[in-house]
Amino acid sequence: DSGVTQTPKHLITATGQRVTLRCSPRSGDLSVYWYQQSLDQGLQFLIQYYNGEERAKGNILERFSAQQFPDLHSELNLSSLELGDSALYFCASSTQSGDTGELFFGEGSRLTVL
Amino acid sequence: KNQVEQSPQSLIILEGKNCTLQCNYTVSPFSNLRWYKQDTGRGPVSLTIMTFSENTKSNGRYTATLDADTKQSSLHITASQLSDSASYICVVRPHQAGTALIFGKGTTLSVSS
Repeated sequence: DSGVTQTPKHLITATGQRVTLRCSPRSGDLSVYWYQQSLDQGLQFLIQYYNGEERAKGNILERFSAQQFPDLHSELNLSSLELGDSALYFCASSTQSGDTGELFFGEGSRLTVL
Repeated sequence: KNQVEQSPQSLIILEGKNCTLQCNYTVSPFSNLRWYKQDTGRGPVSLTIMTFSENTKSNGRYTATLDADTKQSSLHITASQLSDSASYICVVRPHQAGTALIFGKGTTLSVSS
């Protein structure tokens, strides 16, 4: 158990809809990262937050947005969903702002868009 | 372009045998190189983290090596077990601040009895 909690574990929705994925980092970790893993693809970095502020941005679509709240949990919002958005979405946390430290991953949220 | 390439894409070995997974990268300069194990449908779990100045690091039956001159890393698994069946992912952290980790696509290892 990494200590990172993601909900929901599974989500099935239709094209055009909007969903919110939630992540609670390990106790004491200030950084939260979001990754997308499509079938047979490597993990793609979406966005990073550190202590409530956006720290780094990867290949995140404009239809996607995220935020980190004062209690350090984070939410990833996916809107106008397309079939290609079906993937595993992972959250990871670390104590540090840069990627120099250990990353602890949650178990992921599997999104299926029909 | 910064890339991380892993080989083989997949591998099947018998329980008890050893195996070596390869990682070639073009990221330069870099701060550290990591190996993760990802069970099917689960989150990746860190096996080793090596800085650019380290040559080898072990974690139980897992030993990672790094050759910064040739930009190659390998993960050696000794006396494989059925529970080693998973995807093994090589990840490189570029030195440039604010640059995200670069993930390889992974090697899928299947250990059979």
